[in-house]
Amino acid sequence: RKEVEQDPGPFNVPEGATVAFNCTYSNSASQSFFWYRQDCRKEPKLLMSVYSSGNEDGRFTAQLNRASQYISLLIRDSKLSDSATYLCVVTPFSGGYNKLIFGAGTRLAVHP
Amino acid sequence: EPEVTQTPSHQVTQMGQEVILRCVPISNHLYFYWYRQILGQKVEFLVSFYNNEISEKSEIFDDQFSVERPDGSNFTLKIRSTKLEDSAMYFCASTTPPGETQYFGPGTRLLVL
Repeated sequence: RKEVEQDPGPFNVPEGATVAFNCTYSNSASQSFFWYRQDCRKEPKLLMSVYSSGNEDGRFTAQLNRASQYISLLIRDSKLSDSATYLCVVTPFSGGYNKLIFGAGTRLAVHP
Repeated sequence: EPEVTQTPSHQVTQMGQEVILRCVPISNHLYFYWYRQILGQKVEFLVSFYNNEISEKSEIFDDQFSVERPDGSNFTLKIRSTKLEDSAMYFCASTTPPGETQYFGPGTRLLVL
């Protein structure tokens, strides 16, 4: 079983749409959770951290369900500039200084 | 805003040659990482480095690979006797306690012919 699994997409949505991405992870001891964004042939960039209480940053909302080992990202009012690959990322241990384990990513294409 | 830099941006080499990929982490960061991404695949952890020694390495990071912090600013990844399957984008990242965010450099695209 893959350590971090994501639907590869692509998700093709019109501007203004709401889109949701899901992710599951296999290691129940995983400690920290993130969504990164990666543009084509660029480096991953942190979009947001994910907490059990859920967190929101503008149009983006992330949720974590530890019991189901499930992470989600909701994007509201999609913009053309949201087109990218969204990477679900976990770390196996507490403390922020350890390796990141990436999912293969979900590709989003927002069209006019 | 401070950033991680990497050189070269692109490297083409012949199979069997040695390459050195260079990174300059953010100046006050203490933890350094190398990741790689084969075209069309996920980002994979290679190695982490702290206090002038490797703190963790993946199965990918075999004897062909080595890392070094030769001075106070550079962090290098050396690949000896490159293979075709080493062709990938190599990303350097750095972080510092108590933060959790790893900041990635723009990557070096390595092509082994």
